[in-house]
Amino acid sequence: EPEVTQTPSHQVTQMGQEVILRCVPISNHLYFYWYRQILGQKVEFLVSFYNNEISEKSEIFDDQFSVERPDGSNFTLKIRSTKLEDSAMYFCASGGSSNQPQHFGDGTRLSIL
Amino acid sequence: AQRVTQPEKLLSVFKGAPVELKCNYSYSGSPELFWYVQYSRQRLQLLLRHISRESIKGFTADLNKGETSFHLKKPFAQEEDSAMYYCALSRQGAQKLVFGQGTRLTINP
Repeated sequence: EPEVTQTPSHQVTQMGQEVILRCVPISNHLYFYWYRQILGQKVEFLVSFYNNEISEKSEIFDDQFSVERPDGSNFTLKIRSTKLEDSAMYFCASGGSSNQPQHFGDGTRLSIL
Repeated sequence: AQRVTQPEKLLSVFKGAPVELKCNYSYSGSPELFWYVQYSRQRLQLLLRHISRESIKGFTADLNKGETSFHLKKPFAQEEDSAMYYCALSRQGAQKLVFGQGTRLTINP
């Protein structure tokens, strides 16, 4: 069964540094999402992406965040200048159509020091 | 605003006993409701969605619009049901998911 894959599984970064989290969605999916889960808290929506543009973003997704689908297979989340509070598990998800549910990757654990 | 509440952070039942994981939501429109499950060291997986009205691994969930609830039920719990369960809501269509805080279910032998 096809899966969403995320790399790396764990990223440790110094505060203030840029970080890029990578995701390979399921190949025929058209809708892409990023979520995050701070330890002990609920899974929170960050951004959705369709037709090469952001379709919706949350208040969390400020100017420090950006997403890109550079080559038709990868879907990346960039945090420009990381803060301690960006430490979380980041999940990528993809969906095939407006009627299909979202499929999640294993997540990337981001630790900001 | 959309909100999902799972009142129990932890739930522990014995094998063979019935299980009910509670989920309440608030949304003024017509929501889509989901249950996702996360087994130990695995990814979030879709368990149920209300529009499918199917039973997966013995679990069922009925959308009660009057009570704004989408409780997950299983008549006889099995040890392999131990996992983290998340209730989630979206507006209809390919929209963001709003998650509850999750319930950790432990099935005791």
